[in-house]
Amino acid sequence: QVQLQESGPGLVKPSETLSLTCTVSGGSVSIYLWTWIRQPPGKGLEWIANIYYNESTNFNPSLKSRVTISVDTSKNQFSLKLSSVTAADTAVYYCARGLSAGEGYFDYWGQGTLVTVSS
Amino acid sequence: QSVLTQPPSASGTPGQRVTISCSGSSSNIGSNYVYWYLQLPGTAPKVLIYRNNQRPSGVPDRFSGSKSGTSASLAVSGLRSEDEADYYCAAWDDSLSGVVFGGGTKLTVL
Repeated sequence: QVQLQESGPGLVKPSETLSLTCTVSGGSVSIYLWTWIRQPPGKGLEWIANIYYNESTNFNPSLKSRVTISVDTSKNQFSLKLSSVTAADTAVYYCARGLSAGEGYFDYWGQGTLVTVSS
Repeated sequence: QSVLTQPPSASGTPGQRVTISCSGSSSNIGSNYVYWYLQLPGTAPKVLIYRNNQRPSGVPDRFSGSKSGTSASLAVSGLRSEDEADYYCAAWDDSLSGVVFGGGTKLTVL
C-alpha cells in the first residue's frame, strides 16, 4: 500500500519561502508522477505542480514564477518550495501520486498539512 | 474563479438520485478525461471516477460518471447519509499544460 506523508513548518512569515517534503512509502518515486495540490481554508482544490520520474515538470501558470519542485530518489521523497509567500498562500497542502502524464488522476494522497502564512 | 464550473451545492433525500454537473471548455473536458473526487470534512480527496466513467475498485456502483462535449456529470443514486461531502471534478487542460479543478459541490442529504 502506497503511503504519502507531508512534512514541513506549519507557520511561515510573509515574504519568506514555504518548504514542504513528501515522503513516499510502499512505492518508488522513480516511477509515476508526483504532485502538490493545495486547499485554502473553506475553499476548493488548486493544483500547484507535477514532477515526473524523469524530473520533467509542469506548473500552474499562476504560481510558476514562485514554485520549485524536486525529487530525491535516494530518500524516496519529493519537495515543494514556494517563494515570496503571502496570506493568500495559507492552505492545506497535499502531496499526491499521479498515474499518467496529461491526466488529473491522483490515486494516493497524503493527509495534508496546514501551512499558515503570518508574521 | 475555477476553470471548471460546478454548482456550489446540491441536495437530495435518502434513496434519491442526484447529479452534479461540471462545465469546461475544448481545452480541458472537451479533449481530455474527467475525474471526480469526493472529500469528507478534514480528509484528503479520494478518487470516485476516473477517465470519465470508470470506477476504482471499492467505489460503489451507485456512483457513475458521464461526459458529453465540454461538460461532465457525476450521478449518485440511492443517496445515503454518508454521501454527504464535497465533490470536485478535474481534468487536464491543454492550454494551461496543467490540471484544473472545479470549485466543488457540497452535497447535502436532507
